[in-house]
Amino acid sequence: DIQMTQSPSSLSASVGDRVTITCRASQSISSYLNWYQQKPGKAPKFLIYAASSLQRGVPSRFSGSGSGTDFTLTISSLQPEDFATYYCQQSHSIPLTFGQGTKVEIK
Amino acid sequence: EEQLVESGGGLIQPGGSLRLSCAASGFTVSGNFMNWVRQAPGKGLEWVSVIYSGGSTYYADSVKGRFTISRDNSKNTVFLQMNSLRAEDTAVYYCARGYDYIWGNHYYLDYWGQGILVTVSS
Repeated sequence: DIQMTQSPSSLSASVGDRVTITCRASQSISSYLNWYQQKPGKAPKFLIYAASSLQRGVPSRFSGSGSGTDFTLTISSLQPEDFATYYCQQSHSIPLTFGQGTKVEIK
Repeated sequence: EEQLVESGGGLIQPGGSLRLSCAASGFTVSGNFMNWVRQAPGKGLEWVSVIYSGGSTYYADSVKGRFTISRDNSKNTVFLQMNSLRAEDTAVYYCARGYDYIWGNHYYLDYWGQGILVTVSS
C-alpha cells in the first residue's frame, strides 16, 4: 500500500497569511494526488485533483503542485472559512490512501 | 443536482451485522465508481471499498472478507454489508462518488454523503 504523510499535522495562522501544506507519498504516484477540506461534523469537500487542477467552484486562492512523491497545497491568503482540516489522497492505485490530515487553526 | 444519502447505521454488538445504504440522485451509480470511506471518532479518513462502473469490487485489507459492497441499479443505491463487526469498525461511514477523469481507473471523490454513524459496542 502507498503511505501518504502530511506535514505539519497542525498549524496556526492568521487571516491573510499564506499557508503551505506538504504531502509525501511512499512511492511515486505521478500526479495522481487529490486534496480535500473537512470542517468539523461535515463531510469532506473535494478541492483539487491531478495534483494541481482546481475543482469547479473552488476559490483561486487554493493551488496545488508537485509530482512523483512530493506535493503541496497552498492557500495564498487565508480566509475565515478556510479554517479546517486538509487531507491529501492518492489515486495511483487501490487501496486509495489518505494522509493523516493537517488542521489549520486560527492564531 | 447530485446527492448521496446514507442510511442504516446505528449501535450494534461486536460480531453483529449491519447493512448501510447509499441512495444517489442526479447521476447513476452504475455509471460511476462508488466508494465507502470511514472516519473513526477524532481520526482521519480511511478508504473502505469501491465498486467500479463495470462491477469490479475492491476492499481495504482491514475489512476484506467481512464487508461486501454491492449496488441495485434499479434503486440507484449502493450498499455496504458489514459482518463480524469489531469495535475498531466504529466510525462515521461516508458514501462518495468517484469520478474517473483519466484512463486507468484514477479518480477523485467529488460528491459525498452526509455520513452515517456506526457504533460497535456491547
